[in-house]
Amino acid sequence: AQSVTQLGSHVSVSEGALVLLRCNYSSSVPPYLFWYVQYPNQGLQLLLKYTSAATLVKGINGFEAEFKKSETSFHLTKPSAHMSDAAEYFCAVSDPRANSKLTFGKGITLSVRP
Amino acid sequence: NAGVTQTPKFQVLKTGQSMTLQCAQDMNHNSMYWYRQDPGMGLRLIYYSASEGTTDKGEVPNGYNVSRLNKREFSLRLESAAPSQTSVYFCASSGTSMNTGELFFGEGSRLTVL
Repeated sequence: AQSVTQLGSHVSVSEGALVLLRCNYSSSVPPYLFWYVQYPNQGLQLLLKYTSAATLVKGINGFEAEFKKSETSFHLTKPSAHMSDAAEYFCAVSDPRANSKLTFGKGITLSVRP
Repeated sequence: NAGVTQTPKFQVLKTGQSMTLQCAQDMNHNSMYWYRQDPGMGLRLIYYSASEGTTDKGEVPNGYNVSRLNKREFSLRLESAAPSQTSVYFCASSGTSMNTGELFFGEGSRLTVL
């Protein structure tokens, strides 16, 4: 079985500061990993995904994440926060084998201060 | 380009009432899903349909039924609503298997059970 842990429920940064959202996973097989973003009153949309190719994955809106097997981590970063990045972010994991399902973390709310 | 459309967006029910949430996608996707989102719990899979004519239980199926009416439509029914089913419900679809493909989400249906 797979699981993800997103420590904390809320992160606050100043506009222009580094964004770091942490995600650790547990999986009995090499996993596929995902970050989704949810803006207020909207559904989730895919930010980026790791599916066993390059370990550094670039996504939309300047976000990137690095798969670190030794640390079982897939942290999301952005060098410079923008007000429009304020949203809820979900890490998700799946087993690459057929018919597996995504397991989502509990989500982290990112606030950006002017 | 509508993507995934859910109706209704808001609904208030009394305990014991029934209702159906409708979902339709116009992307010719094979797989469709119903999730519920509760504060601090992330998204939990209720039911999914890997292809037209098939449905399977997810993590939290109790109290729900689904129908994959055709390739486009996947409905979620609450036969006898309970306050514990107060939640935001999201429908999603994907064109490939869930673990390698991107999920496309609707905007959500907010359900309150009194």
